[in-house]
Amino acid sequence: EPEVTQTPSHQVTQMGQEVILRCVPISNHLYFYWYRQILGQKVEFLVSFYNNEISEKSEIFDDQFSVERPDGSNFTLKIRSTKLEDSAMYFCASSEAAGANQPQHFGDGTRLSIL
Amino acid sequence: DQQVKQNSPSLSVQEGRISILNCDYTNSMFDYFLWYKKYPAEGPTFLISISSIKDKNEDGRFTVFLNKSAKHLSLHIVPSQPGDSAVYFCAAGPSGGYQKVTFGTGTKLQVIP
Repeated sequence: EPEVTQTPSHQVTQMGQEVILRCVPISNHLYFYWYRQILGQKVEFLVSFYNNEISEKSEIFDDQFSVERPDGSNFTLKIRSTKLEDSAMYFCASSEAAGANQPQHFGDGTRLSIL
Repeated sequence: DQQVKQNSPSLSVQEGRISILNCDYTNSMFDYFLWYKKYPAEGPTFLISISSIKDKNEDGRFTVFLNKSAKHLSLHIVPSQPGDSAVYFCAAGPSGGYQKVTFGTGTKLQVIP
């Protein structure tokens, strides 16, 4: 069964540094998402992406965040100047179409630790 | 603003018994509801869903019930198995458009052998 893959599984970065989290969505999916889960808290929506554009973003997704689909397979989340509070699990997801009736397929996440 | 709430952070059930996980929502625009299951060190996995035009959807041991007037849904697992031990997230959103899916805080289910 096709799956969403994320790399790295764990990223340790000094505060203030830039970090890029990578995702390979399922190949025939057109909609891509990033979520984060701070330890012990709920899964929070960050951004959705379709047709090389952000279609929706949350209030968490401020100017330090950006997303990109640099080629036909990868989908990346960049955090420009990391803060301690950016430490979390970051999940990438993809779906065939938009809307809640299209279940999203999640990767296993990248654990980001900011020191 | 918690639009999707799971008020029980944890639940323990004996193997073979029924597990009932509950979820409440506040946004009237939500017309599609999903349950995801999450094991440690893995991403959430889609389990079962229900549209607002239905009040019940069944898939094997899993049944989701929707009470629109109460803005409440529940997931029933019968019979519960030790492999069902995981965190279960309720999620909801509009079925059309680009709107995001909103997740609840999760309920950790432990099925005791």
